[in-house]
Amino acid sequence: DIQMTQSPSTLSASLGDRVTITCRASQNIGLWLAWYQQKPGKAPNLLIYQASVLKNGVSLRFSGSGSGTEFTLTISSLQPDDFATYYCQQCTSYSTFGQGTRVEMK
Amino acid sequence: EVQLVESGGVVVQPGGSLRLSCAASGFDFDDYAMHWVRQAPQKGLEWISVISWDGSHSKYSDSVKGRFTISRDNSRNSLYLQMKSLRSDDTAFYYCVRDNEGGSGSYYLNSWGQGTLVTVSS
Repeated sequence: DIQMTQSPSTLSASLGDRVTITCRASQNIGLWLAWYQQKPGKAPNLLIYQASVLKNGVSLRFSGSGSGTEFTLTISSLQPDDFATYYCQQCTSYSTFGQGTRVEMK
Repeated sequence: EVQLVESGGVVVQPGGSLRLSCAASGFDFDDYAMHWVRQAPQKGLEWISVISWDGSHSKYSDSVKGRFTISRDNSRNSLYLQMKSLRSDDTAFYYCVRDNEGGSGSYYLNSWGQGTLVTVSS
């Protein structure tokens, strides 16, 4: 099974900060990676797929990069609506998620 | 607008069975692969199953293989998850999710329902 490890588990940041979340895969997954945002009590929302493709309608503050085993999600300037938990997901023939990164207000 | 509405979540005893349903609307249901993803309370996400657009192919996570069965009825725009031999660690919110693509799916999870809670407890 492919394991996905996110870091950090919790991130404290201020409005306007540039925020970066890292996701590492236990083996090469090419570009088969997605990022999701989840707010308390709500279902997750797809932000980015194929490692760097922004889903239609998602803010340009969000960007994704990486390939192979190391990936990053960057929020260019943190806004109030961005405080949430973020998950990476590998999308090879089966799928697994990272454990999540909670972005909280500093 | 894509809508996915799950139902069927209840409290069930260990060893019991349950069938979840998902009613889809707002898109051509038979164009897309569909998934079930679950989330134990206050825990992370776990992908559990996918079914191809026509129902001919399905896959399962190791944690549910042999106990859960995914199916779909394209004439009713509905997705199902038959669950048996339920255990306490199956307690979770179960989400019905539309893939980003058709065929056997890309596993990019484009649209999510609101979830239905299954509690396995005596």
